[in-house]
Amino acid sequence: EAQVTQNPRYLITVTGKKLTVTCSQNMNHEYMSWYRQDPGLGLRQIYYSMNVEVTDKGDVPEGYKVSRKEKRNFPLILESPSPNQTSLYFCASRELQGSTEAFFGQGTRLTVV
Amino acid sequence: DAKTTQPPSMDCAEGRAANLPCNHSTISGNEYVYWYRQIHSQGPQYIIHGLKNNETNEMASLIITEDRKSSTLILPHATLRDTAVYYCIVRDPWGGSQGNLIFGKGTKLSVKP
Repeated sequence: EAQVTQNPRYLITVTGKKLTVTCSQNMNHEYMSWYRQDPGLGLRQIYYSMNVEVTDKGDVPEGYKVSRKEKRNFPLILESPSPNQTSLYFCASRELQGSTEAFFGQGTRLTVV
Repeated sequence: DAKTTQPPSMDCAEGRAANLPCNHSTISGNEYVYWYRQIHSQGPQYIIHGLKNNETNEMASLIITEDRKSSTLILPHATLRDTAVYYCIVRDPWGGSQGNLIFGKGTKLSVKP
């Protein structure tokens, strides 16, 4: 079954404690991306990657890092989380080119206190 | 910024057709129209996409005007499970980073018994 898997689904952490949200896809997609979703602001893209070792900033990259060492994995790293990063996060993947659909993970609800 | 305009909310009676409009007056020749939906706080789900011809799949139909400046997503027999936020997005699937999925506010469709 084609899927994008995020872990953890829920996370409560404290300000400044580094954390990583993992994302893995089993469709051999070149393109992967991260979004955050906040009430009233909708889904905003954080980072995206068009292939292994190729990453680019989206609309709201501040405070986040990503890496793409393997095609299937695209972890989101918060080196020093702050309360304004409390949000619902989604990972997505799709083929790089072509009019195909994007697949989204189930989401990670992060709370930073 | 999103290149589409959608009404913020709509209601539909269960079993009736739901017609969700979208304006994309600045769409370029290479851009397709995509529809996704998000049920509660789940990951967005692909519905359908098209370039200029009308399209139909098991979930919905997409009607694109001849000038391509607007489209309508049709759910032929809406059920309570179709209650969701529906996003209309235009993107160039061969545009590299220009082909990123940029979400607007969408239309919150409420299907009522």
